[in-house]
Amino acid sequence: EPEVTQTPSHQVTQMGQEVILRCVPISNHLYFYWYRQILGQKVEFLVSFYNNEISEKSEIFDDQFSVERPDGSNFTLKIRSTKLEDSAMYFCASRRGSGYEQYFGPGTRLTVT
Amino acid sequence: GENVEQHPSTLSVQEGDSAVIKCTYSDSASNYFPWYKQELGKRPQLIIDIRSNVGEKKDQRIAVTLNKTAKHFSLHITETQPEDSAVYFCAAPPNTGTASKLTFGTGTRLQVTL
Repeated sequence: EPEVTQTPSHQVTQMGQEVILRCVPISNHLYFYWYRQILGQKVEFLVSFYNNEISEKSEIFDDQFSVERPDGSNFTLKIRSTKLEDSAMYFCASRRGSGYEQYFGPGTRLTVT
Repeated sequence: GENVEQHPSTLSVQEGDSAVIKCTYSDSASNYFPWYKQELGKRPQLIIDIRSNVGEKKDQRIAVTLNKTAKHFSLHITETQPEDSAVYFCAAPPNTGTASKLTFGTGTRLQVTL
């Protein structure tokens, strides 16, 4: 059964550095999402992406964040200048064109020091 | 926007007993209600979902009920087993478009004891 994959599994970076988190959604899916989960808290929506553009973004997704689908398989989240409060688990999710089910990747744990 | 409330925050049951987790939502236009199970350090895993045109859905030991009038839905796990121990999240998408995000509840930590 195909799954969403994410790399790296753990990223440690210094405050102010740029990070890129990578996701490979399920191949025939059309909708892509990034969520984050601060340790011990609920999953929070960051951004949705469809037809090569952002569909919706949350208040968390400020100018420091960007997303890209550089080719037919990868979906990336970039944080330009990381802050301590960006430390969290970042999940990518994808969805087919029909139906509502979103399938999550294993996550990237981002630690900003 | 959508507001999803979930309770209880923790639930401890003995193996074999039933567990019920409840969620309420605010957006009356929401039409899809998934439940995710998250084991420690793992991805949220979709375990069951329900659309607004039905009141109940069952899959083996797991069932979800929906009351659209009251805007609440519940997860029922029967004959609980130790491997059911995890954090369970409900979610709902505000019906704002085809790419709808999910708004998650705050989670319920279920512990099944022997």
